[in-house]
Amino acid sequence: DVKVTQSSRYLVKRTGEKVFLECVQDMDHENMFWYRQDPGLGLRLIYFSYDVKMKEKGDIPEGYSVSREKKERFSLILESASTNQTSMYLCASRGTGRDTEAFFGQGTRLTVV
Amino acid sequence: GNSVTQMEGPVTLSEEAFLTINCTYTATGYPSLFWYVQYPGEGLQLLLKATKADDKGSNKGFEATYRKETTSFHLEKGSVQVSDSAVYFCALFTTGANNLFFGTGTRLTVIP
Repeated sequence: DVKVTQSSRYLVKRTGEKVFLECVQDMDHENMFWYRQDPGLGLRLIYFSYDVKMKEKGDIPEGYSVSREKKERFSLILESASTNQTSMYLCASRGTGRDTEAFFGQGTRLTVV
Repeated sequence: GNSVTQMEGPVTLSEEAFLTINCTYTATGYPSLFWYVQYPGEGLQLLLKATKADDKGSNKGFEATYRKETTSFHLEKGSVQVSDSAVYFCALFTTGANNLFFGTGTRLTVIP
């Protein structure tokens, strides 16, 4: 059974903290993605990576950075958490090809207080 | 650019009613189209897909046809069940952008 695993389901952090969200996939996929999901806004792409150590900004990269040191792991970093980063964060991975399915993790609900 | 527009929700239906969720898109190049579903407390999972014009994707009684002339990919089901209650996302992929673009999602609630 293919899997994308996010390290935490729920996380509560304080304003100004540095926050790490981890995502691991076991499908040897080249492409990995971080989205945030907010009511009425759907899924918005934060960053994606198409190879180890490669990254591309998505639609809303401000306040975030990413790291991909190994093919199976893609980390999202909030350098200094703020309350407007309270959200659901979804990680996804995808192989190559235009008809290839993306697989999602279960999400991390982050609350910044 | 690339974008997806879905009908706004929420949608509430009685069990066995007919469902349509509208989806239209704009894309650079020739996109592949997808419907994803998110059940409560879970991540997204693929419901169905279509990769070229006039293709019909189908799964679990849901169907959607890739209509290039109207740039649409509407989701339909003939008889919904309570277990279909979820949020449905339309999405497109283009090789140029190497990225999935999602609509805002439509929440469906089916009542017995």
